Amino acid sequence: QKEVEQDPGPLSVPEGAIVSLNCTYSNSAFQYFMWYRQYSRKGPELLMYTYSSGNKEDGRFTAQVDKSSKYISLFIRDSQPSDSATYLCAMRTGTASKLTFGTGTRLQVTL
Amino acid sequence: DAGVTQSPTHLIKTRGQQVTLRCSPISGHKSVSWYQQVLGQGPQFIFQYYEKEERGRGNFPDRFSARQFPNYSSELNVNALLLGDSALYLCASSAGQGVNYGYTFGSGTRLTVV
Repeated sequence: QKEVEQDPGPLSVPEGAIVSLNCTYSNSAFQYFMWYRQYSRKGPELLMYTYSSGNKEDGRFTAQVDKSSKYISLFIRDSQPSDSATYLCAMRTGTASKLTFGTGTRLQVTL
Repeated sequence: DAGVTQSPTHLIKTRGQQVTLRCSPISGHKSVSWYQQVLGQGPQFIFQYYEKEERGRGNFPDRFSARQFPNYSSELNVNALLLGDSALYLCASSAGQGVNYGYTFGSGTRLTVV
């Protein structure tokens, strides 16, 4: 079983829709949770960085962490075609230097 | 300001050969990490270097090695290439080592082993 599970999609939504992306994890030592966006042929770009449980909002993006359920989410409001990309969740413990990534969810926002 | 710079962008090698990938971190960043991203998968951690010392190693064979130079740039070396080494190799830099520092990724080097 992988430490981090993420539905690979693809997920196709119309422009303006609310998008929900999710990851589950098994390692209870994870304390820091990130969402990255990766365009084709590019490196991952950090979107959101959260610590422990709770919500964090930044513009059209909201990250949620539920440590009791080992479940994290990213919501994208008013989705745009430019949001079409692969979204990767990533996690780290309080001591380890490495990030553990999900497989990524491919999102397509159509006109 | 320049971001994380990786070279080359693309590379084709034959099985059994050796390859060296290079990374220049963001100016002022002292930590460099290397990740392997196989098509359709998330990045997998290979190494982290901070202040020219190895600070973390992922579950990769000894064919993989790396080093960091006094100017904080880094090289990743892979010996005896296998077909399964074909992947996007990503370098990430951060200002420090702790959890308060985020990682900025380069665009990667796409390695194809034939």
